[in-house]
Amino acid sequence: EAQVTQNPRYLITVTGKKLTVTCSQNMNHEYMSWYRQDPGLGLRQIYYSMNVEVTDKGDVPEGYKVSRKEKRNFPLILESPSPNQTSLYFCASSLGEGNEQFFGPGTRLTVL
Amino acid sequence: AQSVTQLGSHVSVSEGALVLLRCNYSSSVPPYLFWYVQYPNQGLQLLLKYTTGATLVKGINGFEAEFKKSETSFHLTKPSAHMSDAAEYFCAVSDQSSSGGYNKLIFGAGTRLAVHP
Repeated sequence: EAQVTQNPRYLITVTGKKLTVTCSQNMNHEYMSWYRQDPGLGLRQIYYSMNVEVTDKGDVPEGYKVSRKEKRNFPLILESPSPNQTSLYFCASSLGEGNEQFFGPGTRLTVL
Repeated sequence: AQSVTQLGSHVSVSEGALVLLRCNYSSSVPPYLFWYVQYPNQGLQLLLKYTTGATLVKGINGFEAEFKKSETSFHLTKPSAHMSDAAEYFCAVSDQSSSGGYNKLIFGAGTRLAVHP
């Protein structure tokens, strides 16, 4: 089944404790992206990647890191999480420009 | 840079009534426009997209949207609402990234649709 998977689905952590949210897709898509969803703000792009080793900042990249060492994986790293990063995070992938983005199920992160 | 405005954060309709969800974009014509739907506790699914050609686009579940360049709009409609349409709907448009391509998606804040009997 074609899908985007994220782990963990739920995470509660404390300020400053490094964490990684994994994202994997099995559709051989070149383009992958991370978004955060906050009430009243819709989805805002954090980082995106157009291919292996090619990443770029989205609209809200501060406090986040990403890497794309393999085509299928695009982990999101929070080196020192803060409470304002409490949010619902989505990973997405697509064939590229203009194509449908397929979304993962989301990761609900709470930073205390 | 693009911005997307969805008028009405909450819309409530009766079952069988017309659904109209509004979306306006801000600046130059984006090459791609999308509507996504999010059911409770799920990720987003594509309803429909506009790229080129006919300005009336048909999507899944009976939804359609019309691209009107003169009004910078891409409103979503469905002739007859069903209880299963209750969800949050997001309009999104492509925007140019620093690399020059149109891979960036700018989302509106979303409209939550309630359907009552």
